[in-house]
Amino acid sequence: DADVTQTPRNRITKTGKRIMLECSQTKGHDRMYWYRQDPGLGLRLIYYSFDVKDINKGEISDGYSVSRQAQAKFSLSLESAIPNQTALYFCATSGSGVGYTFGSGTRLTVV
Amino acid sequence: GIQVEQSPPDLILQEGANSTLRCNFSDSVNNLQWFHQNPWGQLINLFYIPSGTKQNGRLSATTVATERYSLLYISSSQTTDSGVYFCAFNTDKLIFGTGTRLQVFP
Repeated sequence: DADVTQTPRNRITKTGKRIMLECSQTKGHDRMYWYRQDPGLGLRLIYYSFDVKDINKGEISDGYSVSRQAQAKFSLSLESAIPNQTALYFCATSGSGVGYTFGSGTRLTVV
Repeated sequence: GIQVEQSPPDLILQEGANSTLRCNFSDSVNNLQWFHQNPWGQLINLFYIPSGTKQNGRLSATTVATERYSLLYISSSQTTDSGVYFCAFNTDKLIFGTGTRLQVFP
């Protein structure tokens, strides 16, 4: 089983719909992150969480919200999806001395 | 903020060739990772290497933190090595380099 699991792997949704991307991890790490990647570009940080009671905005948090339901679970929501949120979304965890581990990504298309 | 530059930006190889990818950073860092993003978009952690040298099969990496660079060596390249290679360092968030796009042809 993957250390960091994202669901769904692919999703097509309509403009204005609410959508949730889920992430779970078995690494035992406290720190979790959501990133987005647009074609030909690098990763940009949406939100991050250093423990269950800690949520922080990243560089592009507008239009997104998150929930840290447990140490192992961190979900990302788009309350009202818009086409420019079409992107590849990654969840990641990090631990001291071991660096980051990324999930396999969720390819989201908003039509 | 700290800048992370990678070279070369693009690299085309024939299967079996060796290559060296470089990552330069503008200030001292105490942790560094190398990632491979394959053509399907998956980001794979290759090395966590704040300093020294590590090897994993055909890949090895060396970081010289005092001179602010890291190198990724790929030997006997295979078509499955194609993709984009990123170095990144960690503050409160991961700062990615500019990437090297590698294409390996049979």
